[in-house]
Amino acid sequence: QKEVEQDPGPLSVPEGAIVSLNCTYSNSAFQYFMWYRQYSRKGPELLMYTYSSGNKEDGRFTAQVDKSSKYISLFIRDSQPSDSATYLCAMKAGGSYIPTFGRGTSLIVHP
Amino acid sequence: SAVISQKPSRDICQRGTSLTIQCQVDSQVTMMFWYRQQPGQSLTLIATANQGSEATYESGFVIDKFPISRPNLTFSTLTVSNMSPEDSSIYLCSVATTGTTSYEQYFGPGTRLTVT
Repeated sequence: QKEVEQDPGPLSVPEGAIVSLNCTYSNSAFQYFMWYRQYSRKGPELLMYTYSSGNKEDGRFTAQVDKSSKYISLFIRDSQPSDSATYLCAMKAGGSYIPTFGRGTSLIVHP
Repeated sequence: SAVISQKPSRDICQRGTSLTIQCQVDSQVTMMFWYRQQPGQSLTLIATANQGSEATYESGFVIDKFPISRPNLTFSTLTVSNMSPEDSSIYLCSVATTGTTSYEQYFGPGTRLTVT
């Protein structure tokens, strides 16, 4: 079992839909949780990070961490075609500066 | 945040040759990393580039194949030596900043390498 599991998709949704992207993990030491967006032929871009459990909101994006279930989510409201990209989750333990990345989920938002 | 640039953005190289990738950051950073991203795969850490000392390599990566330099806190190079088609990949430079409850990691645009 990999430390971080992420469904590669692709996930195809119509414009305006609410998107839910998820990762599960097995290492209970993880405390920092990040989401990256990677457009085709570009490097990953840090979208959001969360320390420990709870929710964090930034515009149309909400990151949610449930440490009891070892499950994190990224919600995108009112999705736009410009949100079409690969979304990677990443997480790390408090004593480490090397995160573990998921494989990424390819999201396609069609007009 | 940090702005990272990489050169070259892409290259096509012949088997047996070497390529050096440059990474420039717009501010001084302590932690700098080199990653590889193969098609459909996640990011694989190659090494941590340490300023003033030898890089720290992850399992499966060796200095003879991927020599790294880090002459100062804003610049690093990764060389892919004696290339084979299996080295075809995207190579990404990354930097990180960390605090008590924060961790932010930023990536360059990547170097797309094709080995023929």
